[in-house]
Order: sequence, then C-alpha cells, then structure tokens
Amino acid sequence: NAGVTQTPKFRVLKTGQSMTLLCAQDMNHEYMYWYRQDPGMGLRLIHYSVGEGTTAKGEVPDGYNVSRLKKQNFLLGLESAAPSQTSVYFCASSYRGQAVYEQYFGPGTRLTVT
Amino acid sequence: GDSVTQMEGPVTLSEEAFLTINCTYTATGYPSLFWYVQYPGEGLQLLLKATKADDKGSNKGFEATYRKETTSFHLEKGSVQVSDSAVYFCALSDQGGSEKLVFGKGTKLTVNP
Repeated sequence: NAGVTQTPKFRVLKTGQSMTLLCAQDMNHEYMYWYRQDPGMGLRLIHYSVGEGTTAKGEVPDGYNVSRLKKQNFLLGLESAAPSQTSVYFCASSYRGQAVYEQYFGPGTRLTVT
Repeated sequence: GDSVTQMEGPVTLSEEAFLTINCTYTATGYPSLFWYVQYPGEGLQLLLKATKADDKGSNKGFEATYRKETTSFHLEKGSVQVSDSAVYFCALSDQGGSEKLVFGKGTKLTVNP
C-alpha cells in the first residue's frame, strides 16, 4: 500500500515549457487535491476533484490545468511555465464516507522555473 | 471567507521545554479543525483533529482543544523532543461538500538538545 505517490520528485523547466505532474493514490479515495507550498504562504489549493471525471478550481488556479480521467490519478499540467510557478507541489487525497475527511499527502514535487 | 491564523515562527526550544503554538480561525458554520506536521523533506501528515466544540485532539503527546468561544485550536506539548522539529500547520475544513482544507501559514519548530 503505497498511499499517495507523486512523479517526478524534482524538475527544472525553462520559462514557456510545459509539463505534467502525476499524482496516484491506491486508497480508493474519491477526493483529490493539488496544493502549492511557498515560503511564508502555507499551502494554497490549486485545483481539486470530488470524483472521477470532475474537477474544480481552488484558490490559485491560474496557469494550471488538471484532469481526473481515472479515480486513482490526478494530473496537474503547466502549459507555459513561468518563474512564479517555482514552488513545491503537493497532492492529497481523502475518502468520502467518514465524519472527518482527513487528507493524505504525497511527498511533493519540487519545481524550479528559470 | 474562512481563514486560519497561526503564530509566526520560527520557534526554537530546548529539549523538554513546554510548547504552545497558537491558532485562531474565522469560519462560517462549524468546521473541523486539524493540526498537520511536516518533517523536513516530507509531505504533510495529520497530527490530530477535533470535530466539534470542546473536543480535544491528542497524538504523540500533543494536544489541542477546539474552543468555539475563542475560535481557537492551540497546539501544546508538555515536553518536546529533538524529533519534534518540524513545521506545524493548523487547518480547518470547508463544510461545502468537497472538504477542502484552509491552512495557516505554518510554524517552524526547532528543538535543540
């Protein structure tokens, strides 16, 4: 049982390049989330999904797109990377059906845009 | 909108000292409250939680009580260890059906031997 995994762990992009971050969970969770973590800012929600085939915008969605074609995977795309997107990205998932929706986090992807 | 304010760090303590990290929140309704911990180089993991007023969450010697009257959820530990060095995040859950979390900015704790 791997929990939440993220690929890749590190990446360096040039301005204007594109990339996709992959999040996978093996806990059969309905909900999945993408956050970015910046110094002094805590975690901010980029996009989230409440089920396969559905996505919604979070607090800071601009410059990102997401897809949830399979229940276990949640992809975060950067179409044209900008230096302001240099950050650590965390994926999380949670299970619907219990009183308190604890989120389980992946280990993070450190992205640098030059 | 909902928000969480926690004390700014960094906090530096000696081993066996008492720890308090303050957290207050603003929310409509009755959110659930959480403390998450992030050890160096890792993702966040749940430390403790409370779902209603006067609930006390506890784990690994840490405690926090959900105080509705003061809208607070302060984290405490009676005797910290070097292994407690980490960043601590207070969070509340959105009650709108997606259970989004709203996080504070985090407090970095360093415990020296």
